Amino acid sequence: GAVVSQHPSRVICKSGTSVKIECRSLDFQATTMFWYRQFPKKSLMLMATSNEGSKATYEQGVEKDKFLINHASLTLSTLTVTSAHPEDSSFYICSAARAGEGNTQYFGPGTRLTVL
Amino acid sequence: GDSVTQMEGPVTLSEEAFLTINCTYTATGYPSLFWYVQYPGEGLQLLLKATKADDKGSNKGFEATYRKETTSFHLEKGSVQVSDSAVYFCALSDRGQFYFGTGTSLTVIP
Repeated sequence: GAVVSQHPSRVICKSGTSVKIECRSLDFQATTMFWYRQFPKKSLMLMATSNEGSKATYEQGVEKDKFLINHASLTLSTLTVTSAHPEDSSFYICSAARAGEGNTQYFGPGTRLTVL
Repeated sequence: GDSVTQMEGPVTLSEEAFLTINCTYTATGYPSLFWYVQYPGEGLQLLLKATKADDKGSNKGFEATYRKETTSFHLEKGSVQVSDSAVYFCALSDRGQFYFGTGTSLTVIP
């Protein structure tokens, strides 16, 4: 158990458009979901933490109006990159914490975003 | 504040060699410790974890022991395989916050 999926796995978009990435916990309810960004050959940078039904908590330096996070249910969180620019190109990874196992995060397979 | 320090890579080993990837941590609370593995182009997979001092996490031949006295959680495997080639991340969870090391790239050559 503890499978997390992301969709799409890859997306290429034009500069100025918005892109939505979905993160789903397939076989458990996630009390908290996390969004990370990973640059090539680098570690993960936490962007925001979201709890179902409440506003996301963004890390310092992350623009909340640019990276919109919605956590509509205990199994789904979405990240929307608004007005994307080439510098937003990156690997975005979500993770989910299972209820009763709060200190373990289960990661999705990641989404490769390329903005032209 | 809390932090994780892991040995810099890249690490290159021959098949069947012994692997150690060092990880030390700093924490103000009582953290849980994790090793995650990332294969090329994929997300992170939980490899093993330990939630309290002296616990040993193990999975797929990998082991790590939570050593509070040395604040360490070194990853070991007795005999690596080509399929173990990946990036390994040490991480800790403390009071709801997650902290990652910078990752260590491992390449195993036949």
